[in-house]
Amino acid sequence: KQEVTQIPAALSVPEGENLVLNCSFTDSAIYNLQWFRQDPGKGLTSLLLIQSSQREQTSGRLNASLDKSSGRSTLYIAASQPGDSATYLCAVKETSGSRLTFGEGTQLTVNP
Amino acid sequence: DTAVSQTPKYLVTQMGNDKSIKCEQNLGHDTMYWYKQDSKKFLKIMFSYNNKELIINETVPNRFSPKSPDKAHLNLHINSLELGDSAVYFCASSRGTGRAYEQYFGPGTRLTVT
Repeated sequence: KQEVTQIPAALSVPEGENLVLNCSFTDSAIYNLQWFRQDPGKGLTSLLLIQSSQREQTSGRLNASLDKSSGRSTLYIAASQPGDSATYLCAVKETSGSRLTFGEGTQLTVNP
Repeated sequence: DTAVSQTPKYLVTQMGNDKSIKCEQNLGHDTMYWYKQDSKKFLKIMFSYNNKELIINETVPNRFSPKSPDKAHLNLHINSLELGDSAVYFCASSRGTGRAYEQYFGPGTRLTVT
């Protein structure tokens, strides 16, 4: 059974700092991995989706990497801003269907 | 234009009551899902419907009954509510059941059982 773990559970940084969020998964037989952002009362917003054959994806100040063999992914946020404050969730999709398995998330606070 | 919408956004009710949460998607998708996010922020899938047919049914108490009147709607009915049912419930949809299809999430419904 797939398990997804995210470290740290919470992170507080000053504005402008570069930071890394970590995600690990127990079963490397994944189809893709997705990073979401969750804002209170606003649901989940997909940030980056990495296919199992890819090593990384970039969007603006965000860069996500995937090392499938070791069961790890990182989300790098450059030059953090207060507007980046949210909970970041990592989810992996199984190879056999549509099931998504989520981690607990990292609650990020960027202080002005 | 809201792609996946849920009503209500907040729901406070007492133990033992029966309540429903509604979900609608205007994306023309065939597959819809219900997820539960508990107090520890874990999002876990509960149910999935494809073309009004149940395809995923996780280990969920039978007090929870999903109903899909048509492809665009997937409602969640909960009988005899318990304190442990307090959570945020998310609806999602995707074009199909295949692994290539991305899921789009609604804003969530925060259920509080007192």
